[in-house]
Amino acid sequence: DAKTTQPPSMDCAEGRAANLPCNHSTISGNEYVYWYRQIHSQGPQYIIHGLKNNETNEMASLIITEDRKSSTLILPHATLRDTAVYYCIVRGEYGNKLVFGAGTILRVKS
Amino acid sequence: GAGVSQSPRYKVAKRGQDVALRCDPISGHVSLFWYQQALGQGPEFLTYFQNEAQLDKSGLPSDRFFAERPEGSVSTLKIQRTQQEDSAVYLCASSLARGPSSRPQHFGDGTRLSIL
Repeated sequence: DAKTTQPPSMDCAEGRAANLPCNHSTISGNEYVYWYRQIHSQGPQYIIHGLKNNETNEMASLIITEDRKSSTLILPHATLRDTAVYYCIVRGEYGNKLVFGAGTILRVKS
Repeated sequence: GAGVSQSPRYKVAKRGQDVALRCDPISGHVSLFWYQQALGQGPEFLTYFQNEAQLDKSGLPSDRFFAERPEGSVSTLKIQRTQQEDSAVYLCASSLARGPSSRPQHFGDGTRLSIL
């Protein structure tokens, strides 16, 4: 599975959009981009995933560039409860395990 | 609805003791995964079941680690002769995926194991 690169940390003001970038320049054609987050003392929470089209659900939007080498997770109106470690993971449909990197620590501040 | 349930939530054991950690996956989920998360790091894959079959155990760190899922539902991760380096959070995840699929994994809140 392709490796991902994320900034180690980001800050965001409460009520503003949080835009979390991820680079996955070695992604192959059948690999999906997944986003999870982990709040302190909890297990990772699934947020969203996509292949090449942009995706949106009740939690977030996922924007994937046309060449699929990078993506951005958007939390449209960040709240204090969105403070967490966000993981961007690339995995093919034939893969089973998720390979977690260090993720991005998002701090939402009032 | 009910998510992945893990028990106990916390476990303290003395070095050399055996421990057993339980995972109840989401009802109907065929695939089940175990991960280990050391302090300050991301989870690392241990093993994968599809129904009762253990299809991948490449992440188990030693032969002291053993996992089973005899009826294709509840799973137990057993660690024999525990060592201090086994101290970590053990996470279980389940998925509807039966084979090649993009279906996501859903995680429990883990068991925090401390070896004294």
